[in-house]
Amino acid sequence: DTAVSQTPKYLVTQMGNDKSIKCEQNLGHDTMYWYKQDSKKFLKIMFSYNNKELIINETVPNRFSPKSPDKAHLNLHINSLELGDSAVYFCASSQGGGHEQYFGPGTRLTVT
Amino acid sequence: QKEVEQDPGPLSVPEGAIVSLNCTYSNSAFQYFMWYRQYSRKGPELLMYTYSSGNKEDGRFTAQVDKSSKYISLFIRDSQPSDSATYLCATTNTGRRALTFGSGTRLQVQP
Repeated sequence: DTAVSQTPKYLVTQMGNDKSIKCEQNLGHDTMYWYKQDSKKFLKIMFSYNNKELIINETVPNRFSPKSPDKAHLNLHINSLELGDSAVYFCASSQGGGHEQYFGPGTRLTVT
Repeated sequence: QKEVEQDPGPLSVPEGAIVSLNCTYSNSAFQYFMWYRQYSRKGPELLMYTYSSGNKEDGRFTAQVDKSSKYISLFIRDSQPSDSATYLCATTNTGRRALTFGSGTRLQVQP
């Protein structure tokens, strides 16, 4: 019974393509997040959703569009993929204050 | 300058050693301090968190925060090869709903 799950686990695609990553949590949490981890392992917040409403958008190019159909799901759609988008994308969730965040297994995106 | 600084390592210790991992931060508004462990090709796993200054112990792990010097530490006693991973410190403040991470320290515990 996975707490935070992501699909797909691996994504290899060419520059210019559009792709989506899906995230689901079964913890009953009210806040979900997308983080990007670069090749140096640095994790940086991209978006934060609380009760399906966007509350943080950290200077992410507008090629990235998150969507939260309900509190348990947060998807990330990326248009016109670029080489620099290659990274591991992590979904996370939390309840209340946001300091106890639980992460999914990650989606490793490679853009060629 | 990053808001949270962490020595990337790698840090190599023999099994049974006491490990000390450290971070410094610059934003005095940070109130919550977390330690995550990340195994290779896995998601970060929350080890423990501390609110404000003080110590917190959980088994072989002790987290310490000194807000006056903006210094965060994680001590691992009796380290095991299974502790080999990257350790990430993270901080936030009330209402921010996003974590600010250090760059992680890679730890190797040699059997």
